Amino acid sequence: GAGVSQSPRYKVAKRGQDVALRCDPISGHVSLFWYQQALGQGPEFLTYFQNEAQLDKSGLPSDRFFAERPEGSVSTLKIQRTQQEDSAVYLCASSPFAAGGKDGYTFGSGTRLTVV
Amino acid sequence: ELKVEQNPLFLSMQEGKNYTIYCNYSTTSDRLYWYRQDPGKSLESLFVLLSNGAVKQEGRLMASLDTKARLSTLHITAAVHDLSATYFCAVGMDSNYQLIWGAGTKLIIKP
Repeated sequence: GAGVSQSPRYKVAKRGQDVALRCDPISGHVSLFWYQQALGQGPEFLTYFQNEAQLDKSGLPSDRFFAERPEGSVSTLKIQRTQQEDSAVYLCASSPFAAGGKDGYTFGSGTRLTVV
Repeated sequence: ELKVEQNPLFLSMQEGKNYTIYCNYSTTSDRLYWYRQDPGKSLESLFVLLSNGAVKQEGRLMASLDTKARLSTLHITAAVHDLSATYFCAVGMDSNYQLIWGAGTKLIIKP
């Protein structure tokens, strides 16, 4: 597609519910990132994929967070047993390069997750 | 641990004025990015700076990088209302693929 597509745009989850957030990167982009952005703050790194390989998951805040990109294109970020502190915007970004992003990264519009 | 500090965090200015946003970072890096974010929207790439002394300009915005001082600046010339947004700098870590972000500068330009 023309850009990075994320769905849903908004998600309200009851505390304890599992959620799945989808990212459809630009076709052919090798690198895919997930970031978490709390209100009024800069994004924080969650995880990085190079094709289907998850090369860095050091930013995932707990074992309730899990991400996958099984065929090297679409990625899903899953959060189990959601907590209120998980409320944030989850941003997906992709890049045609394996690392460095010398042309920058293209971000999706994000999924705003609210846990009530 | 790489830390990125932006200042100011909030800036209100009149149209037609010039101003500079500063981005300091704490360890060596060879990649610095500037992004714009409008309320409720995603991040739009403005500039990618990859070497010491790099300077890039687009319209009324100009970004520069001094890797020795670990400082990047985003200069706004003759501001117009359409530039109102939050501006973020992000620094790439040498050792991995992460970007470390500043807290953002909320810029309001009054007519």
